Amino acid sequence: DAGITQSPRYKITETGRQVTLMCHQTWSHSYMFWYRQDLGHGLRLIYYSAAADITDKGEVPDGYVVSRSKTENFPLTLESATRSQTSVYFCASNPDRVQRQYEQYFGPGTRLTVT
Amino acid sequence: AQTVTQSQPEMSVQEAETVTLSCTYDTSESDYYLFWYKQPPSRQMILVIRQEAYKQQNATENRFSVNFQKAAKSFSLKISDSQLGDAAMYFCAYRTYNNNDMRFGAGTRLTVKP
Repeated sequence: DAGITQSPRYKITETGRQVTLMCHQTWSHSYMFWYRQDLGHGLRLIYYSAAADITDKGEVPDGYVVSRSKTENFPLTLESATRSQTSVYFCASNPDRVQRQYEQYFGPGTRLTVT
Repeated sequence: AQTVTQSQPEMSVQEAETVTLSCTYDTSESDYYLFWYKQPPSRQMILVIRQEAYKQQNATENRFSVNFQKAAKSFSLKISDSQLGDAAMYFCAYRTYNNNDMRFGAGTRLTVKP
C-alpha cells in the first residue's frame, strides 16, 4: 500500500549501543523529516532532507545521523544511544514546495526506549 | 525563532457541544502556513485543517473551523458537534514558505464526555 512506514514500531536498546530507525515512503515525495516527540514539547525536528543526498539539521540534531541514498528511504541512526534519547520518533514527508503542498504526512511512529 | 504556544494543556467537552482550542505563534514573516494536527491514542498524526496566511477567509473542514487573526498571531480551532472520536491530542503547527522547519506547539489533550 502507498504511504509512509516506519520500522521497528517499538525498540528497546541499551545505553551506548547504535540503533537505526527506518523510514520508507512510496509517494516519491522530495522532502522527508525526522521528529522526536516528548511530553511537553510537541514535536521537534531532528533532521530533514530535500532530496536524495541532501540533508540538513533541524532543531535538535545532536547525537543523530541521517542519510538519504534513495528518495524513498530516510534512516535515522543514533550512534551511541543515551537515556535522553528515549522518545517517540516520527518520520514525515511532503511533496516539492513548487506544488504548494506544505502539509506533512506522518508515519506511525517508533517508540524507542534506552535503558 | 518562530514559536508556537498552546496555553491549554487539557480541555474537555460534552458530546455534541462545541469546543475551541487556542494557539498563538510568534513570527516576523508575512507568508506562512498554519496547521492543526490530531493525534489519537494510535499515535498517528492526522492533518485536521490548514490555513494559508495570505487568505483572509477562515478555513473550514466539515465540523472543524479556525479563527485566524493574523495581526494578533492567533489561530484557534473550533470543533462543532463534538464526537467521541474527536478525543485526542491536538497540535498547532507553523511553517513558512521557504523554511522546512515546521514548529509545533506542546499540544492540547481533548476529552469528550458522553
